[in-house]
Parts: sequence; C-alpha cells; structure tokens
Amino acid sequence: DTGVSQNPRHKITKRGQNVTFRCDPISEHNRLYWYRQTLGQGPEFLTYFQNEAQLEKSRLLSDRFSAERPKGSFSTLEIQRTEQGDSAMYLCASSLGSRQPQHFGDGTRLSIL
Amino acid sequence: ELKVEQNPLFLSMQEGKNYTIYCNYSTTSDRLYWYRQDPGKSLESLFVLLSNGAVKQEGRLMASLDTKARLSTLHITAAVHDLSATYFCYQGGSEKLVFGKGTKLTVNP
Repeated sequence: DTGVSQNPRHKITKRGQNVTFRCDPISEHNRLYWYRQTLGQGPEFLTYFQNEAQLEKSRLLSDRFSAERPKGSFSTLEIQRTEQGDSAMYLCASSLGSRQPQHFGDGTRLSIL
Repeated sequence: ELKVEQNPLFLSMQEGKNYTIYCNYSTTSDRLYWYRQDPGKSLESLFVLLSNGAVKQEGRLMASLDTKARLSTLHITAAVHDLSATYFCYQGGSEKLVFGKGTKLTVNP
C-alpha cells in the first residue's frame, strides 16, 4: 500500500515567487482533497476533486491559488505571487468515495522569506 | 456556517486515568470522523462514525456519535504515554469538510 505522496516535503521561497506542489493519491481513490494547516490549528479545507472535476473551492482559495487534477490521478496546487501569510503546511488527502475516511500525505511545508 | 467545536483544546492527564474529549458540530450530519496527529506528522484516521448511536472502539479509545445532539465523544480509558497527540474531529455532512481545532493530549507518567 503506497499511501498518499506529496512533493516536495519542504519549500522555501521568497515573497512574490510562484510555487507548485504535487500530490499523488492512493491509486484507486477517486477523491482528492487539499488542506492548509497552520501551527496549532486544524486543517482548513481548500478544495477537492472527484476524478478530474474540481467540485468545491473554499473562500480561502484566492485567485492566486489554483489546483488541477488533469487525468484524475495526481494533482498540483499552485500559489502565485506568494505572500507571508501563505506560510503553512499544505496537506493532500484522498479517499474512495465521500463516506470513506481520507488518507493524508505527509504534507508540504511552505516557508516564505 | 459550519462549525465544529472541540473541548478541551488542551488536556494534560496522568497515566491510568480516564477522560473524554467532546466534539460539537453545528449542522445535521450522519458522518463524523476522528483523526490523530503526532507532532510534525500527518493525520491518521482513527474512527469513522456513520450513523446515530454508532460506537467504535480501538484499544484504549472509544468514539461515539449522537446525531440528534450533534455531539461526538472520544473516550480515553487508562491513558498511556503513547496516546499523547492531537486529536481532531471533522464533520463530513457536506463537501465543505470542517475540522475542529484539535485537542492536544499530553499523558504524563
């Protein structure tokens, strides 16, 4: 069982730069979720996909954020013109349907200098 | 607005003691999940509660769901140090999945 894989594990970048994260879900899972987590807080929902369709986006997902899942397999989350407030752990999860528990990856920690 | 409230947010307890963590949610839901997160790690699924009155047990942890009261509990029996972690509940009643802020549990020898 190759769980959910996220790359990179850490990303350090300067304010104003663009960053892209990748998530490879568990292969048979049709749902893929992105969350953001800051220290001492619970994960905040950003968006989710069912297969390749992006079905829901949080208001937290400003126009600087975009997510894709082009073939219904891996997904990318891009943040353009990064700001200090974007510093957080970005978590990806996948599940087989809406009623099954989500399996989380180890996350990508983003630090903005 | 969907809200999920956990209490307490911090819990320090001695080994061997019992305690309960509470999770209240604001909208009708027949699904409630519990997760565990160790420091610097990702989230691990503990329990999936899919109906009113559901009870699940794993080792020293037992979770229950009361959909009428919009309340789930996570009961810890005879705590051991290995249970030290942050525990999150989240409501899956809609696609806007909402996590509680988490309960940071510290079990002291």
